[in-house]
Amino acid sequence: NAGVTQTPKFQVLKTGQSMTLQCAQDMNHEYMSWYRQDPGMGLRLIHYSVGAGITDQGEVPNGYNVSRSTTEDFPLRLLSAAPSQTSVYFCASSYHEGPYEQYFGPGTRLTVT
Amino acid sequence: DAKTTQPTSMDCAEGRAANLPCNHSTISGNEYVYWYRQIHSQGPQYIIHGLKNNETNEMASLIITEDRKSSTLILPHATLRDTAVYYCIVRVRHFGNEKLTFGTGTRLTIIP
Repeated sequence: NAGVTQTPKFQVLKTGQSMTLQCAQDMNHEYMSWYRQDPGMGLRLIHYSVGAGITDQGEVPNGYNVSRSTTEDFPLRLLSAAPSQTSVYFCASSYHEGPYEQYFGPGTRLTVT
Repeated sequence: DAKTTQPTSMDCAEGRAANLPCNHSTISGNEYVYWYRQIHSQGPQYIIHGLKNNETNEMASLIITEDRKSSTLILPHATLRDTAVYYCIVRVRHFGNEKLTFGTGTRLTIIP
């Protein structure tokens, strides 16, 4: 199993540009989520999904869109990038039922200038 | 979800046991205690979780007090590779609503 994969590893955007961060998992996990981590801070939940076709907002959803058309993929879209979205983005997945742990991807480091 | 309190930083000598405390005085009866760690900006890594009994796996032990208001993560023989930020998270499992709330954690430094 590859686990949770994220692409790209690094990205630089100009203010106003849009892009999609990719996340995929091959563990047949129902639950997937996106977090952002700013310097010196813990992770904050952006959006999450409990299964294909179902998404919901987390703590800091503004400026981001998600969709879940398949169990494996959970892309995060930045609609119009802002410098405040400069951060490291982590995708995670887990089984839905039971107290199972979350598996995290390696992260995407995004800089918006 | 219950709030957790952890020390900002700790040091531990290599080869010794590292004991990381966590207070969660407002924990509810159906809330689990999870521990994750993050090594140098990598994705967080699950360590262990428990409800009320002490738990042990190949990475660590989790000791939860009888009143469940605090817990301790124990790394029995710390190595330099255990240097990381350790997060204590308290979370109730809802069907259709599972998400983790990370605080700022404890920065553990293993000293050679």
